[in-house]
Amino acid sequence: GAVVSQHPSRVICKSGTSVKIECRSLDFQATTMFWYRQFPKQSLMLMATSNEGSKATYEQGVEKDKFLINHASLTLSTLTVTSAHPEDSSFYICSARDQELAYNEQFFGPGTRLTVL
Amino acid sequence: GNSVTQMEGPVTLSEEAFLTINCTYTATGYPSLFWYVQYPGEGLQLLLKATKADDKGSNKGFEATYRKETTSFHLEKGSVQVSDSAVYFCALVGQAGTALIFGKGTTLSVSS
Repeated sequence: GAVVSQHPSRVICKSGTSVKIECRSLDFQATTMFWYRQFPKQSLMLMATSNEGSKATYEQGVEKDKFLINHASLTLSTLTVTSAHPEDSSFYICSARDQELAYNEQFFGPGTRLTVL
Repeated sequence: GNSVTQMEGPVTLSEEAFLTINCTYTATGYPSLFWYVQYPGEGLQLLLKATKADDKGSNKGFEATYRKETTSFHLEKGSVQVSDSAVYFCALVGQAGTALIFGKGTTLSVSS
């Protein structure tokens, strides 16, 4: 089956620093990737839709200048949390849509747990 | 807009009990429907899916049938195991290429 990886799996950083999270589709091409955020014991909230070669589409309430998304290739999207603060601590999950599948299945990465001190 | 509503948890069952987690949806057109499972500390895994009305998705003993007349996609399992303890998310995709819309998740706890 299709595999999506995320790196790093865990990161702890100081307030004010920037953190980059990578999302890779390992065995398929993904023109579209999605970034979600999950708070403890809550559902996944869509942050943005990332399309290869174009600007990401952000959901209402998500600061595009704080959460920079780059989708430079068909297998890689990155999320950079700029000037991170403790309230940015969360579980970030990406998913990638396999464009070859007609039923829109998305494959999820294992998630990245960000802790901002 | 599109939305997913699933039953509030937590659901606590004894091993070998019957499981039902209700899920209903609101969507225009003909969405695809999914159940995802999240084990503690891990990402989401697709459990099963259905892409059109009356389709039944099944995997690992779990089943769900796409009911357009009741806009439902309830998850069932005849005999749960301790290893089924996890959070279960019902989700839909509306138009092609759009993101999944998730329900709030239902925590299942199975004791031996």
